[in-house]
Amino acid sequence: AQSVTQPDIHITVSEGASLELRCNYSYGATPYLFWYVQSPGQGLQLLLKYFSGDTLVQGIKGFEAEFKRSQSSFNLRKPSVHWSDAAEYFCAVGPGGNDYKLSFGAGTTVTVRA
Amino acid sequence: GAGVSQTPSNKVTEKGKYVELRCDPISGHTALYWYRQSLGQGPEFLIYFQGTGAADDSGLPNDRFFAVRPEGSVSTLKIQRTERGDSAVYLCASSGGAGELFFGEGSRLTVL
Repeated sequence: AQSVTQPDIHITVSEGASLELRCNYSYGATPYLFWYVQSPGQGLQLLLKYFSGDTLVQGIKGFEAEFKRSQSSFNLRKPSVHWSDAAEYFCAVGPGGNDYKLSFGAGTTVTVRA
Repeated sequence: GAGVSQTPSNKVTEKGKYVELRCDPISGHTALYWYRQSLGQGPEFLIYFQGTGAADDSGLPNDRFFAVRPEGSVSTLKIQRTERGDSAVYLCASSGGAGELFFGEGSRLTVL
């Protein structure tokens, strides 16, 4: 069975500071990993994905994530947050290929203070 | 359309009533997914269509839930005899197979 744990329910960060969101997964094969962002009243938007290759993945809006197989982790980072980054962030794992039966974590809410 | 469209955006119903939620995927996307997001949780998989057929319906919680996609485009999620526990945001997503799921804004269902 596949599962995702996001240990931090809520993170508050100052504008301009760095941000790291943790994600741990459990999966029996090579995982396909995703980070999505959900702003209030908006649909889920894909930030980045990891399928294979380079373990450091660049995404949209200045985000990046690093896949660490030994730690079963796929943490999301941004060097300098903007007020518009306040949102809920979801990590997800799936079987890959054209199968998007994803398992999502419970999400981390990010608050940005001025 | 430009994105995945879901209607209604909000639906309030009474316990025991029947509800239909509609999803209009991105034109040309053959794969369509339904997820359910309860308060404070991440989305949970319900059902997946490839074309007109349900390729995987293992996430449907019970037989009160049913979904169709008769022409391989628009899909309808149907919930019979609604219960208060069905209250959630129902998300639809579609994919053209290029490595990304595109989500709609969801239909918020409230069962009183």
